Amino acid sequence: TAGITQAPTSQILAAGRSMTLRCTQDMRHNAMYWYRQDLGLGLRLIHYSNTAGTTGKGEVPDGYSVSRANTDDFPLTLASAVPSQTSVYFCASSVGGASGTDTQYFGPGTRLTVL
Amino acid sequence: GQNIDQPTEMTATEGAIVQINCTYQTSGFNGLFWYQQHAGEAPTFLSYNVLDGLEEKGRFSSFLSRSKGYSYLLLKELQMKDSASYLCAVLDSNYQLIWGAGTKLIIKP
Repeated sequence: TAGITQAPTSQILAAGRSMTLRCTQDMRHNAMYWYRQDLGLGLRLIHYSNTAGTTGKGEVPDGYSVSRANTDDFPLTLASAVPSQTSVYFCASSVGGASGTDTQYFGPGTRLTVL
Repeated sequence: GQNIDQPTEMTATEGAIVQINCTYQTSGFNGLFWYQQHAGEAPTFLSYNVLDGLEEKGRFSSFLSRSKGYSYLLLKELQMKDSASYLCAVLDSNYQLIWGAGTKLIIKP
């Protein structure tokens, strides 16, 4: 199985433009997550979804939006990109449920540069 | 606030043993994870501890002391392919993962 896929692999974007980062998983996991990873900082949660049809804000949600229309897909949209959104973006998924080990599995990441 | 502390970088020799420490202060605790991340790649799961003590998995072991807010990852018989960043993360009371900045491990021949 593919696990989690992300697209594009990398992108250079002009400031002020919008962009959607795609994430698809085929593990039938309930929970999905979007993180950004910046040098010297830990992974920071942008948005999450515990199940299809629901989403929640993470630590750094401003400037980003998500939707979860179905189990498999969890796109992240930047409505009007700014240079501070230059980062590596990782999508992750987990079985879900607030009990026990809930290991997160990560996609390969999208490297975004906003100029 | 919530805080995860790990050393920024460590260097070790091929064939040796290295211990990577992680201390945490979080609102609640529902387990601690260690992930490995090679440069330019995604993090991959290594271990999960929720009870005090040592969990051994091949060349890698992870230890947890909840009373001290402390964990370590022990890597034995180091190989060049172990050169990577090692990320410590704590599952807080809301079941959200709080991540440390990671420890870059450099293995020298």
